[in-house]
Amino acid sequence: DAKTTQPNSMESNEEEPVHLPCNHSTISGTDYIHWYRQLPSQGPEYVIHGLTSNVNNRMASLAIAEDRKSSTLILHRATLRDAAVYYCILRDVDNNDMRFGAGTRLTVKP
Amino acid sequence: NAGVTQTPKFQVLKTGQSMTLQCAQDMNHEYMSWYRQDPGMGLRLIHYSVGAGITDQGEVPNGYNVSRSTTEDFPLRLLSAAPSQTSVYFCASSEAAASYEQYFGPGTRLTVT
Repeated sequence: DAKTTQPNSMESNEEEPVHLPCNHSTISGTDYIHWYRQLPSQGPEYVIHGLTSNVNNRMASLAIAEDRKSSTLILHRATLRDAAVYYCILRDVDNNDMRFGAGTRLTVKP
Repeated sequence: NAGVTQTPKFQVLKTGQSMTLQCAQDMNHEYMSWYRQDPGMGLRLIHYSVGAGITDQGEVPNGYNVSRSTTEDFPLRLLSAAPSQTSVYFCASSEAAASYEQYFGPGTRLTVT
């Protein structure tokens, strides 16, 4: 199974943009790139996903490298409520399962 | 829609006891899965199902059984609880394709003494 690599932790100031990187050098052509986040004491929450093209939604943007070996989750203006662990996951089209890594713990400073 | 519901929220078991964690979804999703999350760690996939009557093993299936007799329900059975199974358990569901998002339940916190 393709794996992802993320920094253990990142810090941001409130109301500034945050760029969370993810490397997935062994991604296959049909793997979707998913991002989830987990707030303290809660279940994971969907953020965004994509295949090849950059994606935007109300929560964030996803920038996917042309070779698909890396991606970046962009939070345009971080708020204190964005403090969470962010997971970058590849979802396999063959069996649909999702394998979580350790994620990136984002701290947002006021 | 209630989304994904899990019961109980908390459970304490003695070593060797058995129990079933319940998971239900009302979104008619074909794909359902169970994860466990140990303190300070990411989620690990236990079992998953791509439809009624079909289940498969994930990363850490030992000590757990699942069945999928209906689209809505996906119970997780602990056959003989061990302290190593102390964890938070999350159930999730989605449409049966990699292009869809998963919806997670609130979790069950299990302690085995």
